[in-house]
Amino acid sequence: SQQGEEDPQALSIQEGENATMNCSYKTSINNLQWYRQNSGRGLVHLILIRSNEREKHSGRLRVTLDTSKKSSSLLITASRAADTASYFCATEVDFGNEKLTFGTGTRLTIIP
Amino acid sequence: GAGVSQSPRYKVAKRGQDVALRCDPISGHVSLFWYQQALGQGPEFLTYFQNEAQLDKSGLPSDRFFAERPEGSVSTLKIQRTQQEDSAVYLCASSFPWDRKNTGELFFGEGSRLTVL
Repeated sequence: SQQGEEDPQALSIQEGENATMNCSYKTSINNLQWYRQNSGRGLVHLILIRSNEREKHSGRLRVTLDTSKKSSSLLITASRAADTASYFCATEVDFGNEKLTFGTGTRLTIIP
Repeated sequence: GAGVSQSPRYKVAKRGQDVALRCDPISGHVSLFWYQQALGQGPEFLTYFQNEAQLDKSGLPSDRFFAERPEGSVSTLKIQRTQQEDSAVYLCASSFPWDRKNTGELFFGEGSRLTVL
């Protein structure tokens, strides 16, 4: 079963605009991560936010976490055509178990 | 190699055949994970190893699925008597404790796409 659900399922925006994707999850977490997947490829780690953090930045990425609402958002600023990919949130629930549980993903298309 | 390597990249099997999928993790990575990704879906956890110990196999969908990592490096995911619903991409990932503690990062291979006819 999948822990998280992403919203929207698909998003198309013009190059240069900002893209926001949301993730909701079901259980308490240790941390939440975002990954990116280009079509037909493996997943690439983008950023991690811990349960005691509210916001984190990395380059053009901004992640927020609201543990009371069990939700996170990923903002990509000044989008580029190369940002076209699927984006997944993933949660680590148990300190003693390293597995990540992935969401359903948002398919982002940047229109040049 | 520099990254996680999976083979074969593509496998077509007739229903009822057995298949074996191989994962070569990044050298020195202690933890190894297998995920199943159906078309248009997120990866679903199957199982994970710490060195040669299989610590969690709760995601394996049936007893037809079996994974091993006998020497704590290369891992094989075996699917017996394949069914059409087994058609998916099987992703392998590995990690090193320092990376997990600091960045949380899993390093993924490009996957093995299994098609069962």
